[in-house]
Amino acid sequence: AQSVTQLGSHVSVSEGALVLLRCNYSSSVPPYLFWYVQYPNQGLQLLLKYTTGATLVKGINGFEAEFKKSETSFHLTKPSAHMSDAAEYFCAVSDRGGGFKTIFGAGTRLFVKA
Amino acid sequence: GAVVSQHPSRVICKSGTSVKIECRSLDFQATTMFWYRQFPKQSLMLMATSNEGSKATYEQGVEKDKFLINHASLTLSTLTVTSAHPEDSSFYICSAPAGGANEQFFGPGTRLTVL
Repeated sequence: AQSVTQLGSHVSVSEGALVLLRCNYSSSVPPYLFWYVQYPNQGLQLLLKYTTGATLVKGINGFEAEFKKSETSFHLTKPSAHMSDAAEYFCAVSDRGGGFKTIFGAGTRLFVKA
Repeated sequence: GAVVSQHPSRVICKSGTSVKIECRSLDFQATTMFWYRQFPKQSLMLMATSNEGSKATYEQGVEKDKFLINHASLTLSTLTVTSAHPEDSSFYICSAPAGGANEQFFGPGTRLTVL
């Protein structure tokens, strides 16, 4: 069965500092991998996804993530945090075999200090 | 990108009443939609998979008679919370896959408060 572990329920960074949100997955075969962002009282918005090919994936708002098969990780980074990045971030996996079912991590709340 | 809407965005109801939440795919067809429940400061919990033209598939522990799902068309799925109680108060989010690679497009969510 697939699972997703996000290390750290809360991460706090200063504005302009590096953002690193950690995600590890468990799957018998490499799944599709996603990062979603959720602002208060809103649905989720896709930041980026890994399907195949290049393991460094670039997304919206300056975020990127690297798929490391050997480490079963898909950590999310951004070189310089902005106040508007403060939100909840969810890592998610989905089986390539079809069915569309997506499993979400517990989420990491990012705080950005001025 | 694909757009999913939900209605209503907020609903307050009395205990014992039923509440219907709609999820629509506005610019694409969705044979499958998903319903999630999210408690404050927690992740999304998949409740059920809504299948157009057939019965929904419920996750373990979710009462199918409590949370009725109807996927009557390729663009509409409804979730009805029957005989709602305060413990049903939550944020309900729907999603639909589109664009390949199992990418999900999410509705904006519905905040249900049962008094």
